[in-house]
Amino acid sequence: GENVEQHPSTLSVQEGDSAVIKCTYSDSASNYFPWYKQELGKGPQLIIDIRSNVGEKKDQRIAVTLNKTAKHFSLHITETQPEDSAVYFCAASDGGGTSYGKLTFGQGTILTVHP
Amino acid sequence: GAGVSQSPSNKVTEKGKDVELRCDPISGHTALYWYRQRLGQGLEFLIYFQGNSAPDKSGLPSDRFSAERTGESVSTLTIQRTQQEDSAVYLCASSVREGQPQHFGDGTRLSIL
Repeated sequence: GENVEQHPSTLSVQEGDSAVIKCTYSDSASNYFPWYKQELGKGPQLIIDIRSNVGEKKDQRIAVTLNKTAKHFSLHITETQPEDSAVYFCAASDGGGTSYGKLTFGQGTILTVHP
Repeated sequence: GAGVSQSPSNKVTEKGKDVELRCDPISGHTALYWYRQRLGQGLEFLIYFQGNSAPDKSGLPSDRFSAERTGESVSTLTIQRTQQEDSAVYLCASSVREGQPQHFGDGTRLSIL
């Protein structure tokens, strides 16, 4: 089955700096890669996703890049703000193929943005 | 609009008791997934529903775990004879159909004493 590795496990930045979180996956059948933000006591919130027919996607201060050949994808947050502090999870799925779209998650990155 | 709703938000029970967790998906979402999140860990898939059938139960950890869904609506996850290792947050997600973005509820935090 799919295996997703996420790094780093913790990331501390100053407000205004950029933050980058990286994930690798093992199953070449995976073609859908969402990123979730989870705040304390809340469920994961989808912040951006990418499918394998594109290499990069941006939404304001957030961008995701995908390298399907190398089987890795990254989350980039620019101009970080204290409210970006949370746990971020990457995930991978086959987008509804033989695995029914179930998500395999990385272990999470605790992002702390210092004012 | 209403998001995914889960109840109870917290459940504390004694080892050996049965518990039932409830998930109300977003209206119109045919796909429903249950995940488990242990403290400080990522989410682990448990079971997938398409309508009221469960074509993928591969993540259920033991036969003490079962789930059902009524049509394209409410789902319940039942854990029988709870053990301490069942302590976790149980999360439900729904999507318009499989392969589409999944939207999560806030989970049920289950603590087994």
